Amino acid sequence: IAGITQAPTSQILAAGRRMTLRCTQDMRHNAMYWYRQDLGLGLRLIHYSNTAGTTGKGEVPDGYSVSRANTDDFPLTLASAVPSQTSVYFCASSDGQSGGANVLTFGAGSRLTVL
Amino acid sequence: GQNIDQPTEMTATEGAIVQINCTYQTSGFNGLFWYQQHAGEAPTFLSYNVLDGLEEKGRFSSFLSRSKGYSYLLLKELQMKDSASYLCAVKDSNYQLIWGAGTKLIIKP
Repeated sequence: IAGITQAPTSQILAAGRRMTLRCTQDMRHNAMYWYRQDLGLGLRLIHYSNTAGTTGKGEVPDGYSVSRANTDDFPLTLASAVPSQTSVYFCASSDGQSGGANVLTFGAGSRLTVL
Repeated sequence: GQNIDQPTEMTATEGAIVQINCTYQTSGFNGLFWYQQHAGEAPTFLSYNVLDGLEEKGRFSSFLSRSKGYSYLLLKELQMKDSASYLCAVKDSNYQLIWGAGTKLIIKP
C-alpha cells in the first residue's frame, strides 16, 4: 500500500535518552517533513527536506536533527529527550513543487511521551 | 506575526449543514488548504483554494476571499463519520504552511 510508514507507533522514554523516529515513504516524493502536534496548537514544522541530501530547519528545530540519505527515508532524532518533547509526531511527504497544491500525505503518527 | 484562527469546537446534527470558518493573517498568500483529521489518525487532504470563490467537491465545499483573509469549509448532509477535526492551513510567501489549531466537529444523531 503506497504511503508513509512511521515507527514506533508510540513510545515512553526517560528524559535524557536518545530516540530516533523512523519514516519511510514509497511514493517517490521529493519533499519530506516532520511536524509535531500538541493540544490546542496547530501543526508545527520541525525539519524538512526538499530533496535527498538536503535538509532545512522549520519553526521548532531545537533538540531535533534529521538526515535524508535517500529519497525514501527521513528519520528524526532526539539527541537527549526532554519532557517538553512529549507530543505526537507526524512525518509527511509531497511532490515538492512550491507552486500549486503541493498536497501533503501524512504518516499515521508517533506518540512520544518523555518522563 | 502570522496567525490562523478557527473555532475550537462546533456541534451539528446528522443530516444538517455546518460551516467552519477560518481567518488568516500571513506574510503573503500562496493558497489555503483544508485537511480532515479523525481522532488518533493522520490529517488527510480535503481541499485547496488559491483564487477567490467556491470550490465544490461532493458534500464538501470550500470558499476563499483573499481580500478579507477568510475561508470557510461547508459540509452538507452531515454524517456521523464527519465527526473529526478540520485543519485550516495557509501557504505563505515563502511557500511554508502555517496551520490553524483545528476545529473539532461533533456530530449528534
